[in-house]
Amino acid sequence: DADVTQTPRNRITKTGKRIMLECSQTKGHDRMYWYRQDPGLGLRLIYYSFDVKDINKGEISDGYSVSRQAQAKFSLSLESAIPNQTALYFCATSDPEAGSYNEQFFGPGTRLTVL
Amino acid sequence: AQSVAQPEDQVNVAEGNPLTVKCTYSVSGNPYLFWYVQYPNRGLQFLLKYITGDNLVKGSYGFEAEFNKSQTSFHLKKPSALVSDSALYFCAVRDGGNAGNMLTFGGGTRLMVKP
Repeated sequence: DADVTQTPRNRITKTGKRIMLECSQTKGHDRMYWYRQDPGLGLRLIYYSFDVKDINKGEISDGYSVSRQAQAKFSLSLESAIPNQTALYFCATSDPEAGSYNEQFFGPGTRLTVL
Repeated sequence: AQSVAQPEDQVNVAEGNPLTVKCTYSVSGNPYLFWYVQYPNRGLQFLLKYITGDNLVKGSYGFEAEFNKSQTSFHLKKPSALVSDSALYFCAVRDGGNAGNMLTFGGGTRLMVKP
């Protein structure tokens, strides 16, 4: 959806490099999430943020860090990329105030390859 | 802890035939259940959800899902499959007892609809 955008869409990098993936949303949602998708494993939560001052680790946060620069922006960093971080990364948002019961809205994804 | 299982990696069905994509879940409290669809090179799109009420939930694109508490299942169904339904489908659950609970996704099921 255009409401949640991710940059870049594709990235190839080398082991040891620092990488930043960016996510922006125009939905006005407070909650934002970063997931990675691996074949057969579904989506696994890396980090989530309930507002600008609230950041929490998810299931697989090791090797990653995040920054919530504003309500609309949530960046994911790989400080020193390694090959097993090759995956499809998704950003998502949700609005707990809308009775949506944590229905999440996803960006188009970033395909990251670490050589 | 909460978990989701999608026992089939792939489901094959002929166009015009009914389809079922299976999902079973485990949560300690009341389940909030979701189905998402992922088309190639796209993010996940919300299809439908079960929160409470009628066990048969209707969603987008003619899909529906049946909540079965005794079997802890939430199977996705469609009476007549279309080739355009071919995609990757994810079931997700969260424990409704805590607004801060995160979604847990299944591993995904690839649906192939053949003409």
